[in-house]
Amino acid sequence: ETGVTQTPRHLVMGMTNKKSLKCEQHLGHNAMYWYKQSAKKPLELMFVYSLEERVENNSVPSRFSPECPNSSHLFLHLHTLQPEDSALYLCASSQSGEGSGANVLTFGAGSRLTVL
Amino acid sequence: GQNIDQPTEMTATEGAIVQINCTYQTSGFNGLFWYQQHAGEAPTFLSYNVLDGLEEKGRFSSFLSRSKGYSYLLLKELQMKDSASYLCAVRDGDYKLSFGAGTTVTVRA
Repeated sequence: ETGVTQTPRHLVMGMTNKKSLKCEQHLGHNAMYWYKQSAKKPLELMFVYSLEERVENNSVPSRFSPECPNSSHLFLHLHTLQPEDSALYLCASSQSGEGSGANVLTFGAGSRLTVL
Repeated sequence: GQNIDQPTEMTATEGAIVQINCTYQTSGFNGLFWYQQHAGEAPTFLSYNVLDGLEEKGRFSSFLSRSKGYSYLLLKELQMKDSASYLCAVRDGDYKLSFGAGTTVTVRA
C-alpha cells in the first residue's frame, strides 16, 4: 500500500446510525487532516492533527468526532448526522518543515457519504 | 475570513493554452498551491509558489504576485487528460490551507 488510503469509499447511513471513516497514510508524514468537499463549494478544513495532537478544529459540529491513535491512522466518527452532511470526506497528510516539498498535502481518494 | 476566487468553468481546445486566474484575500500568507482533481479522484499537487514570479514544471506553470494577491496556473499544449478541476489554495499559517471552489477545465478535440 502506498499513499493515503481511505475506507469505505462509499457509505450510506440513516440519521440515527453511528459509523466511522478510516484513513491510513504510508508516507511517514507527521500531520493528518480531514476535509469536507461539497458540490460547487471550496474544500472545508475540519480537523488537523500534528504528531497525534489536534491543532485545528474549525467549528465542526460535535456529531463529527475525530480520533488519531498514531501518526499513520486517522478516524472520523459519525453520529446522528443530518442530510446536509452528505458530501465527499477527504483525508490528507503532510510533512511539516522547511523547503518547497514540505507541507504539501497528499490526499486520499475520499469517502462519499450519503445521509438519508 | 478567507476569500479565494477563481472562475467556475473554462473550455479550451486540445493543443491550446489556458490560464486559470486566482485572487485571494487572506489573514496571512505562507504559500499558494495549485491542485488538480479528476472527477471521482483525489486532488493531486501541481505547484507551489511562496515568492513572486513564475514556477515552470513541464507543460504547467504557476505565477504569483503577493502584492496583488494574485496567481495564475498556465496549462500549455492541452491534452484531453487535462480535463479536470483545478484548485487554488492558500496557506495562512502552519497547517491551515484554504481552498477556492475550483475551476473545471474542459478540453475539446
